[in-house]
Amino acid sequence: KQEVTQIPAALSVPEGENLVLNCSFTDSAIYNLQWFRQDPGKGLTSLLLIQSSQREQTSGRLNASLDKSSGRSTLYIAASQPGDSATYLCAVRYSGGYQKVTFGTGTKLQVIP
Amino acid sequence: DGGITQSPKYLFRKEGQNVTLSCEQNLNHDAMYWYRQDPGQGLRLIYYSQIVNDFQKGDIAEGYSVSREKKESFPLTVTSAQKNPTAFYLCASSTHMGPTNQPQHFGDGTRLSIL
Repeated sequence: KQEVTQIPAALSVPEGENLVLNCSFTDSAIYNLQWFRQDPGKGLTSLLLIQSSQREQTSGRLNASLDKSSGRSTLYIAASQPGDSATYLCAVRYSGGYQKVTFGTGTKLQVIP
Repeated sequence: DGGITQSPKYLFRKEGQNVTLSCEQNLNHDAMYWYRQDPGQGLRLIYYSQIVNDFQKGDIAEGYSVSREKKESFPLTVTSAQKNPTAFYLCASSTHMGPTNQPQHFGDGTRLSIL
């Protein structure tokens, strides 16, 4: 079964701290991995998309890495701000079948002023 | 602004009733998706459509139905056969369904509850 795991389920950090969110997947045969942000009661906003041939993607204070051999991706957030508080989900598009996307359960981040 | 519009934001269903959730996109995307989100679980795929007049079941299609008569519209009907419909429903779209660079765009969701 192709699964995506995100640990921890919740994380609380003081403002200004650099932090890393983790995403693990069970099958290295992937097309891409995407990181999303979800605010309470809202839909998902795409943050970064990493193709299977790439090792990392950067956007502003965000940097996502991908290591297919170990089945891991990390989302690094630099100089965290209270506005970064949200749930962060990763989603993996596995090869084969209809290339469906498998989502993790998310990490709920709280940045304390 | 291009995007995905879901309506209503909140919906209540009586026992034995069918309800329809609306999803409209003006992104000119070919592919559209419906997901269900429950607390503590990842998003689960209900149905997806790669092109007009075509749709396929996802992982949890039982008790749901869809149609894709227009490119921009992909309504989801929650039928009385779905015994546990209380959840947050998310509609998404992408340029196409394939392995290449095509991030999914999401609407703001509809929260369905049982009366």
